[in-house]
Amino acid sequence: GAVVSQHPSWVICKSGTSVKIECRSLDFQATTMFWYRQFPKQSLMLMATSNEGSKATYEQGVEKDKFLINHASLTLSTLTVTSAHPEDSSFYICSASAASGIDEQFFGPGTRLTVL
Amino acid sequence: QKEVEQNSGPLSVPEGAIASLNCTYSDRGSQSFFWYRQYSGKSPELIMFIYSNGDKEDGRFTAQLNKASQYVSLLIRDSQPSDSATYLCAVKSGGSNYKLTFGKGTLLTVNP
Repeated sequence: GAVVSQHPSWVICKSGTSVKIECRSLDFQATTMFWYRQFPKQSLMLMATSNEGSKATYEQGVEKDKFLINHASLTLSTLTVTSAHPEDSSFYICSASAASGIDEQFFGPGTRLTVL
Repeated sequence: QKEVEQNSGPLSVPEGAIASLNCTYSDRGSQSFFWYRQYSGKSPELIMFIYSNGDKEDGRFTAQLNKASQYVSLLIRDSQPSDSATYLCAVKSGGSNYKLTFGKGTLLTVNP
């Protein structure tokens, strides 16, 4: 089956620092990758949609200058949380859709970010 | 605003019973419907998807879709304690960007 990995699985950082999270599709080419954020006991909230080689499309209310997304290849997308603050502490999950046009999104295992 | 509504639960059923999870959506243009299971602290995993009105069965799971009523459900037969998790309903509207809208999820507890 389609496998999506994320790295790191968890990270603790100091307020004001930047954190980069990687999302990789391991056995398929992902034309579209999605970044979600999930706070405790809440549902997944889509942050942005990224297509390989083009700028990400951010959802309303998500600061594009704070959450930098790069989708440089068909197998790798990165999310950088710049100048992180404690309110950015959350569970960040990426997903990927295959180039075949199938609707299904394959989810990565998630990255738990804690900002002190 | 496209919305997906689920009863947050918790829904508690005894082991071996049928668990019924429900979901309604607001966008009549929605075309694809997904059920994900999410264990605490983990990311969602796909259980089933359904595109057409009616029932779709896969093992102990049956998804039911009624587009006229804008309603989709998931039945879990012979519920097991390992089925205890939050079940997320997700809907994809028409278009080519594959964006999913998720409900808040229903917490299911299966009691041994």
